[in-house]
Amino acid sequence: DSGVTQTPKHLITATGQRVTLRCSPRSGDLSVYWYQQSLDQGLQFLIQYYNGEERAKGNILERFSAQQFPDLHSELNLSSLELGDSALYFCASSPGLAGKGANVLTFGAGSRLTVL
Amino acid sequence: AQTVTQSQPEMSVQEAETVTLSCTYDTSESDYYLFWYKQPPSRQMILVIRQEAYKQQNATENRFSVNFQKAAKSFSLKISDSQLGDAAMYFCAYRSAKVGAAGNKLTFGGGTRVLVKP
Repeated sequence: DSGVTQTPKHLITATGQRVTLRCSPRSGDLSVYWYQQSLDQGLQFLIQYYNGEERAKGNILERFSAQQFPDLHSELNLSSLELGDSALYFCASSPGLAGKGANVLTFGAGSRLTVL
Repeated sequence: AQTVTQSQPEMSVQEAETVTLSCTYDTSESDYYLFWYKQPPSRQMILVIRQEAYKQQNATENRFSVNFQKAAKSFSLKISDSQLGDAAMYFCAYRSAKVGAAGNKLTFGGGTRVLVKP
């Protein structure tokens, strides 16, 4: 158990629908990152939050949005789903923004989304 | 923008033998971190080893070691005495040491699949 909790583990839905993926970071970590991994692909960075504020944005579609709440958990919202959105979505957390301890990301087990 | 390249889609190794995975990266920065992550069939991302760019000494974690060549922008992973449990996808990753938007995320390579033959 990495300490980063993601729910749900698996999700099957239809095109055009909306889903929410949830992430609880490791205790004490302030930064949360979202990554997308399509089948047999590398991990693509979507977005990062630090202590409730957006810090960095990657190739995140306009149909996708995220936020980090005061208790530091984060949610990734995916709307108007398309077949190509089927992927493994990872959440990762780290202690902070910089410094020796802040540079290690700990990953959750991922949420597997299947869009039919 | 930084890029990370893993040129070997798949590598095969005999159990107890050694295998080396290649990784090159492109950056204009002088201070950064490099990582190798392992992704077994469970799909969990597991940190294998990390290297700070300002350290000349190569990192070692048990049977895993790296060959960090800063001038060549090369960061290879050596797995010694390979075990069946080492079979997985291995991803090389880069992270800037700068504080700020560009300095926070990990940039991953495309991965190398390691097969271990008994």
